[in-house]
Amino acid sequence: EIVLTQSPGTLSLSPGERATLSCRASQSISSRYLAWYQQKPGQAPRLLIYGASSRATGIPDRFSGSGSGTDFTLTISRLEPEDFAVYYCHQCGTSPDTFGQGTKLEIK
Amino acid sequence: QLQLRESGPGLVKPSETLSLTCTVSGGSISSTSDYWAWIRQPPGQGLEWIGSVYYSGSTQYNPSLKSRLTISVDTSNNQFSLKLTSLTAADTAVFYCARRGGDFWSGYRFDYWGQGTLVTVSS
Repeated sequence: EIVLTQSPGTLSLSPGERATLSCRASQSISSRYLAWYQQKPGQAPRLLIYGASSRATGIPDRFSGSGSGTDFTLTISRLEPEDFAVYYCHQCGTSPDTFGQGTKLEIK
Repeated sequence: QLQLRESGPGLVKPSETLSLTCTVSGGSISSTSDYWAWIRQPPGQGLEWIGSVYYSGSTQYNPSLKSRLTISVDTSNNQFSLKLTSLTAADTAVFYCARRGGDFWSGYRFDYWGQGTLVTVSS
Protein backbone atom coordinates (compact mmCIF):
# COMPACT_ATOMS: atom_id res chain seq x y z
CA GLU A 1 0.00 0.00 0.00
CA ILE A 2 1.05 3.60 -0.51
CA VAL A 3 2.21 5.26 2.70
CA LEU A 4 1.61 8.99 3.03
CA THR A 5 3.91 10.81 5.45
CA GLN A 6 2.86 14.26 6.56
CA SER A 7 5.17 16.85 8.04
CA PRO A 8 5.45 18.49 10.37
CA GLY A 9 3.38 16.59 12.91
CA THR A 10 2.48 19.83 14.64
CA LEU A 11 2.79 23.36 13.27
CA SER A 12 2.54 26.32 15.66
CA LEU A 13 1.73 29.61 13.94
CA SER A 14 -0.13 32.84 14.60
CA PRO A 15 -3.19 34.20 12.78
CA GLY A 16 -2.14 36.08 9.69
CA GLU A 17 0.91 33.89 9.08
CA ARG A 18 1.43 31.51 6.17
CA ALA A 19 1.18 27.75 6.72
CA THR A 20 2.90 25.15 4.57
CA LEU A 21 1.99 21.50 5.11
CA SER A 22 3.74 18.63 3.37
CA CYS A 23 2.56 15.18 2.26
CA ARG A 24 5.08 12.72 0.85
CA ALA A 25 4.03 9.46 -0.81
CA SER A 26 6.04 6.23 -0.68
CA GLN A 27 5.56 5.90 -4.44
CA SER A 28 4.46 8.17 -7.23
CA ILE A 29 0.75 8.89 -7.49
CA SER A 30 -1.26 10.76 -10.06
CA SER A 31 -2.08 14.23 -8.81
CA ARG A 32 -5.68 13.53 -9.80
CA TYR A 33 -5.93 11.19 -6.82
CA LEU A 34 -4.50 13.38 -4.05
CA ALA A 35 -6.87 15.25 -1.73
CA TRP A 36 -6.63 17.28 1.46
CA TYR A 37 -9.12 17.43 4.34
CA GLN A 38 -9.54 19.60 7.41
CA GLN A 39 -10.87 18.16 10.65
CA LYS A 40 -11.92 20.06 13.74
CA PRO A 41 -12.54 18.39 17.13
CA GLY A 42 -15.78 16.42 17.22
CA GLN A 43 -16.45 16.96 13.51
CA ALA A 44 -16.17 14.89 10.37
CA PRO A 45 -13.34 15.73 7.97
CA ARG A 46 -14.15 18.37 5.36
CA LEU A 47 -12.83 18.23 1.82
CA LEU A 48 -10.56 21.17 1.02
CA ILE A 49 -8.56 20.24 -2.08
CA TYR A 50 -8.90 17.50 -4.68
CA GLY A 51 -6.84 16.66 -7.72
CA ALA A 52 -3.89 18.06 -5.73
CA SER A 53 -4.79 21.68 -6.56
CA SER A 54 -8.53 22.16 -7.08
CA ARG A 55 -10.45 23.81 -4.29
CA ALA A 56 -13.68 22.14 -3.21
CA THR A 57 -16.93 24.07 -3.30
CA GLY A 58 -17.03 26.88 -0.76
CA ILE A 59 -13.36 26.67 0.24
CA PRO A 60 -11.72 30.11 0.55
CA ASP A 61 -8.96 30.97 -1.87
CA ARG A 62 -6.41 31.30 0.93
CA PHE A 63 -6.21 27.49 0.70
CA SER A 64 -4.14 26.16 -2.17
CA GLY A 65 -2.62 22.83 -3.11
CA SER A 66 0.30 21.91 -5.28
CA GLY A 67 2.68 19.10 -6.09
CA SER A 68 3.14 16.02 -8.19
CA GLY A 69 4.69 12.57 -8.11
CA THR A 70 5.55 11.93 -4.49
CA ASP A 71 5.56 15.43 -2.99
CA PHE A 72 2.46 17.47 -2.33
CA THR A 73 1.85 20.68 -0.40
CA LEU A 74 -1.12 22.40 1.18
CA THR A 75 -0.63 26.12 1.71
CA ILE A 76 -2.80 28.46 3.74
CA SER A 77 -1.74 31.92 2.69
CA ARG A 78 -2.95 33.91 5.68
CA LEU A 79 -4.25 32.01 8.69
CA GLU A 80 -7.64 32.82 10.10
CA PRO A 81 -8.64 31.71 13.63
CA GLU A 82 -10.96 29.06 12.20
CA ASP A 83 -8.10 27.41 10.26
CA PHE A 84 -6.51 25.87 13.37
CA ALA A 85 -7.35 22.21 13.02
CA VAL A 86 -5.88 18.88 11.89
CA TYR A 87 -5.17 18.39 8.18
CA TYR A 88 -4.99 15.06 6.36
CA CYS A 89 -3.83 14.15 2.88
CA HIS A 90 -5.43 11.19 1.11
CA GLN A 91 -4.63 9.15 -1.98
CA CYS A 92 -7.15 7.06 -3.88
CA GLY A 93 -5.13 6.20 -6.93
CA THR A 94 -4.01 2.80 -5.70
CA SER A 95 -6.09 0.50 -3.53
CA PRO A 96 -6.27 0.55 -0.60
CA ASP A 97 -7.00 4.24 -0.16
CA THR A 98 -4.65 5.66 2.43
CA PHE A 99 -4.44 8.79 4.55
CA GLY A 100 -1.48 10.59 6.04
CA GLN A 101 -1.20 10.62 9.81
CA GLY A 102 -2.21 14.27 9.97
CA THR A 103 -0.66 17.65 10.71
CA LYS A 104 -2.04 19.54 13.68
CA LEU A 105 -2.06 23.28 13.07
CA GLU A 106 -2.14 25.03 16.43
CA ILE A 107 -2.18 28.63 17.56
CA LYS A 108 1.20 29.89 18.71
CA GLN B 1 -27.78 18.93 -0.59
CA LEU B 2 -26.55 15.37 -0.16
CA GLN B 3 -26.60 14.11 3.43
CA LEU B 4 -25.33 10.89 4.96
CA ARG B 5 -26.23 9.55 8.38
CA GLU B 6 -24.75 6.57 10.20
CA SER B 7 -26.82 4.41 12.52
CA GLY B 8 -26.03 1.45 14.71
CA PRO B 9 -25.07 0.41 18.23
CA GLY B 10 -22.67 2.50 20.26
CA LEU B 11 -21.44 -0.43 22.31
CA VAL B 12 -20.52 -3.92 21.13
CA LYS B 13 -19.00 -6.79 23.08
CA PRO B 14 -15.66 -8.33 22.13
CA SER B 15 -15.90 -11.18 19.60
CA GLU B 16 -19.31 -9.95 18.43
CA THR B 17 -20.30 -8.49 15.06
CA LEU B 18 -20.77 -4.78 14.36
CA SER B 19 -23.55 -3.77 11.98
CA LEU B 20 -23.79 -0.16 10.80
CA THR B 21 -26.04 1.44 8.20
CA CYS B 22 -25.56 4.67 6.29
CA THR B 23 -28.69 6.36 4.99
CA VAL B 24 -28.24 8.70 2.04
CA SER B 25 -30.68 11.56 1.48
CA GLY B 26 -30.81 14.41 -1.00
CA GLY B 27 -29.41 12.22 -3.76
CA SER B 28 -29.45 8.71 -5.18
CA ILE B 29 -27.14 5.94 -4.06
CA SER B 30 -27.60 4.53 -7.58
CA SER B 31 -25.52 7.31 -9.12
CA THR B 32 -23.24 5.70 -11.68
CA SER B 33 -20.36 8.04 -10.86
CA ASP B 34 -20.11 7.49 -7.12
CA TYR B 35 -18.77 4.93 -4.68
CA TRP B 36 -19.90 4.78 -1.07
CA ALA B 37 -17.33 4.27 1.63
CA TRP B 38 -16.76 3.48 5.28
CA ILE B 39 -13.87 5.16 7.08
CA ARG B 40 -12.94 4.88 10.74
CA GLN B 41 -10.93 6.88 13.23
CA PRO B 42 -9.79 5.44 16.58
CA PRO B 43 -9.92 7.97 19.42
CA GLY B 44 -7.11 10.50 19.06
CA GLN B 45 -5.76 8.83 15.92
CA GLY B 46 -5.89 9.22 12.15
CA LEU B 47 -8.26 8.06 9.44
CA GLU B 48 -8.43 4.53 8.01
CA TRP B 49 -10.34 3.59 4.87
CA ILE B 50 -12.36 0.44 5.54
CA GLY B 51 -13.93 -0.22 2.17
CA SER B 52 -16.27 0.97 -0.55
CA VAL B 53 -19.33 -0.24 -2.46
CA TYR B 54 -20.82 0.66 -5.83
CA TYR B 55 -24.58 0.71 -6.43
CA SER B 56 -24.25 -2.56 -8.36
CA GLY B 57 -22.91 -4.27 -5.24
CA SER B 58 -19.30 -4.34 -6.37
CA THR B 59 -16.98 -3.85 -3.39
CA GLN B 60 -13.42 -2.89 -2.52
CA TYR B 61 -12.04 -3.75 0.90
CA ASN B 62 -8.98 -2.77 2.89
CA PRO B 63 -6.83 -5.93 2.96
CA SER B 64 -6.20 -5.42 6.67
CA LEU B 65 -9.92 -5.95 7.38
CA LYS B 66 -11.05 -8.04 4.42
CA SER B 67 -11.37 -11.35 6.29
CA ARG B 68 -13.83 -9.79 8.78
CA LEU B 69 -15.67 -7.34 6.56
CA THR B 70 -18.82 -7.24 4.46
CA ILE B 71 -20.15 -4.06 2.84
CA SER B 72 -23.46 -4.15 1.01
CA VAL B 73 -25.86 -1.74 -0.67
CA ASP B 74 -29.67 -1.47 -0.57
CA THR B 75 -30.71 0.75 -3.46
CA SER B 76 -34.42 0.53 -2.67
CA ASN B 77 -33.83 2.24 0.67
CA ASN B 78 -30.89 4.41 -0.44
CA GLN B 79 -28.64 2.81 2.17
CA PHE B 80 -25.40 0.94 2.43
CA SER B 81 -24.17 -1.15 5.32
CA LEU B 82 -21.10 -2.51 7.05
CA LYS B 83 -20.66 -5.75 8.98
CA LEU B 84 -17.42 -6.29 10.86
CA THR B 85 -16.98 -9.56 12.72
CA SER B 86 -14.80 -10.76 15.61
CA LEU B 87 -14.48 -7.36 17.20
CA THR B 88 -11.71 -6.47 19.64
CA ALA B 89 -10.93 -3.33 21.62
CA ALA B 90 -8.70 -2.24 18.74
CA ASP B 91 -11.84 -1.77 16.64
CA THR B 92 -13.10 1.00 18.95
CA ALA B 93 -13.44 4.05 16.71
CA VAL B 94 -15.65 6.70 15.20
CA PHE B 95 -17.08 5.20 12.03
CA TYR B 96 -17.87 7.55 9.16
CA CYS B 97 -19.72 6.89 5.94
CA ALA B 98 -18.77 9.02 2.97
CA ARG B 99 -19.34 9.47 -0.74
CA ARG B 100 -16.41 9.09 -3.08
CA GLY B 101 -17.31 11.46 -5.84
CA GLY B 102 -15.48 12.84 -8.84
CA ASP B 103 -14.41 11.38 -12.14
CA PHE B 104 -11.36 10.15 -14.01
CA TRP B 105 -10.40 13.62 -15.22
CA SER B 106 -10.85 15.73 -12.12
CA GLY B 107 -9.96 13.00 -9.68
CA TYR B 108 -11.75 11.23 -6.91
CA ARG B 109 -12.33 12.36 -3.35
CA PHE B 110 -14.53 11.92 -0.30
CA ASP B 111 -16.72 14.96 -0.78
CA TYR B 112 -19.65 14.23 1.53
CA TRP B 113 -19.35 12.70 5.00
CA GLY B 114 -21.74 11.60 7.70
CA GLN B 115 -21.30 13.07 11.16
CA GLY B 116 -19.77 9.83 12.44
CA THR B 117 -20.83 7.36 15.09
CA LEU B 118 -18.66 6.20 17.99
CA VAL B 119 -18.49 2.46 18.41
CA THR B 120 -16.93 1.16 21.61
CA VAL B 121 -15.92 -2.48 21.90
CA SER B 122 -16.10 -3.48 25.55
CA SER B 123 -17.62 -6.14 27.75
